Amino acid sequence: EPEVTQTPSHQVTQMGQEVILRCVPISNHLYFYWYRQILGQKVEFLVSFYNNEISEKSEIFDDQFSVERPDGSNFTLKIRSTKLEDSAMYFCASRKPRQGEAFFGQGTRLTVV
Amino acid sequence: EDQVTQSPEALRLQEGESSSLNCSYTVSGLRGLFWYRQDPGKGPEFLFTLYSAGEEKEKERLKATLTKKESFLHITAPKPEDSATYLCAARYSGAGSYQLTFGKGTKLSVIP
Repeated sequence: EPEVTQTPSHQVTQMGQEVILRCVPISNHLYFYWYRQILGQKVEFLVSFYNNEISEKSEIFDDQFSVERPDGSNFTLKIRSTKLEDSAMYFCASRKPRQGEAFFGQGTRLTVV
Repeated sequence: EDQVTQSPEALRLQEGESSSLNCSYTVSGLRGLFWYRQDPGKGPEFLFTLYSAGEEKEKERLKATLTKKESFLHITAPKPEDSATYLCAARYSGAGSYQLTFGKGTKLSVIP
């Protein structure tokens, strides 16, 4: 069964460093998302991406964040200068057109020290 | 005000003891109501989509229903492997229509 793949599963970084989280969405999906979940809190929307551009973003997704689809398969989230409060699980998701449900990857646990 | 509210926060059941989880949502502009299962340290796993009041979906011991103001996830004769956090999410029309808005989840523990 096709699945969303995320790498790495766990990343530890120093405060102020840049990180790139990577995702391979399901191959025939056209909508791509990043969500995050701070430990013990609910899953929060960050950004959606369709047709090679951002379609929506939340207040969390400020100038420190960027997304890119560098080729036909990968979808990345870059955090330019990490802060302690960026520590969270980051989930990539994708969905087909005309399908409401999104399918999530297993997440990248980002720890900023 | 939260658009999606789940109750209870936690639920302990004996194996075989059926129960229901509740999800209340903001009614205006709803485009879909979704249930996911999340195991510790893992991503949400899709279970069901519901679009209109009266709709029901079933999978093994789980049945999801939708009314005009809330959704229920019924668990019949649960087993220990059903232990997980169950998340409800909603998608709305207009601004924000691409995203899912999640509730805080119900943590279900099924005791053998």
